[in-house]
Amino acid sequence: QSALTQPRSVSGSPGQSVTISCTGTSSDVGNYNYVSWYQQHPGKAPKLMITDVTRRPSGVPDRFSGSKSGNTASLTISGLQAEDEADYYCCSYAGFYTYLFGTGTKVTVL
Amino acid sequence: EVQLVESGGGLVKPGGSLRLSCAASGFTFRNAWMSWVRQAPGKGLEWVGHFKSITDGGTTDYTAPVKGRFTISRDDSNNMVYLQMNSLKTEDTAVYYCATLAPRGVFDFWGQGTLVTVSS
Repeated sequence: QSALTQPRSVSGSPGQSVTISCTGTSSDVGNYNYVSWYQQHPGKAPKLMITDVTRRPSGVPDRFSGSKSGNTASLTISGLQAEDEADYYCCSYAGFYTYLFGTGTKVTVL
Repeated sequence: EVQLVESGGGLVKPGGSLRLSCAASGFTFRNAWMSWVRQAPGKGLEWVGHFKSITDGGTTDYTAPVKGRFTISRDDSNNMVYLQMNSLKTEDTAVYYCATLAPRGVFDFWGQGTLVTVSS
């Protein structure tokens, strides 16, 4: 099993929107609505941002949203803020109680 | 408040062993699936394995690169989860995080991580 594919980096100005893609296969992303997203600031532990493709845990700002089409899931950050600058990772259930993370995307706020 | 605190990291030679511990509090530990996730320096996250709650079978699953070398155990009486790492390789060098896991792949809460360095 290979890691899910994410763009290495994306960037945007404050207030703009950015979208991060997460591409897997029909055995993971495409087969289950169990994609989650994590935010990680440098030197910190990851933080859960999205579960089950589209659900936001309590306390996560509503400018973060998730979606999925086929084998690709996406995370969109609307109204980009300085504190959103971080690394983002997707994760998908891959069957038989195994889990795949994405390669990670660095979001830069210009 | 959920707290997960890892300990036990350090420098170990290739072929050596190390045991990591994770102390949990703030939730009903016996009902939780407990997992380990690692992150090599400058790299992405990798699920290492997990231990299901006893009520869900109490079994373990591991990623292929660590099968047969790593063992996860838990002590529900003391709210602890452990990662025994044997036959360590240089590629096992990483920060190891303890995290709660919902079966559908949601790593809800994370510890701060402990660094394991495998080097001669």
